[in-house]
Amino acid sequence: GAVVSQHPSRVICKSGTSVKIECRSLDFQATTMFWYRQFPKQSLMLMATSNEGSKATYEQGVEKDKFLINHASLTLSTLTVTSAHPEDSSFYICSARVPGQGIYNEQFFGPGTRLTVL
Amino acid sequence: AQSVSQHNHHVILSEAASLELGCNYSYGGTVNLFWYVQYPGQHLQLLLKYFSGDPLVKGIKGFEAEFIKSKFSFNLRKPSVQWSDTAEYFCALGPGGGADGLTFGKGTHLIIQP
Repeated sequence: GAVVSQHPSRVICKSGTSVKIECRSLDFQATTMFWYRQFPKQSLMLMATSNEGSKATYEQGVEKDKFLINHASLTLSTLTVTSAHPEDSSFYICSARVPGQGIYNEQFFGPGTRLTVL
Repeated sequence: AQSVSQHNHHVILSEAASLELGCNYSYGGTVNLFWYVQYPGQHLQLLLKYFSGDPLVKGIKGFEAEFIKSKFSFNLRKPSVQWSDTAEYFCALGPGGGADGLTFGKGTHLIIQP
């Protein structure tokens, strides 16, 4: 159980275009999902918290207008990188929190999406 | 704000050697602590987690970690490593209380030489 998928796994786009990445919880409903970014050979950095039915909460330094997050259902959150530039090239990883854990905070991670902006 | 520090960025060991990867954290409240592993080209996998109770936590693949509250540490150990343990290892902290994103350490690149 607790499987998280991401689509696409890889995407290459031209500078200036927008790219949408989907994150799905396959066998549970996730009221909260998270988006992380991982640069090559570096750690994961939390970008934003996605809450079903409400606006996402962004970490300091993350541009809300550039990284649009929509959590329209209990199993789907999307991250749209708008007007992508080469510096947005990165590995984007989502995670989902299994509800009903109370104070515990275990998250399950998707396989990630490799974005390359030319 | 919370932070996680992993002291060893690159570790090279021979097979059958013992492993200990350091992880220290900074956070004033209740913590949930995790170790994740990322094999080359693959996604994050949970090795083990600590929420509460017994501070010695056993995970998959023979890994264990000990939560020492007084030292703000959560070091990962394995008594005898294998070549297949070559991977990137991340320590992560999640504030207790539920719905917060995790803070990751910078990771340790572990290479096991046959």
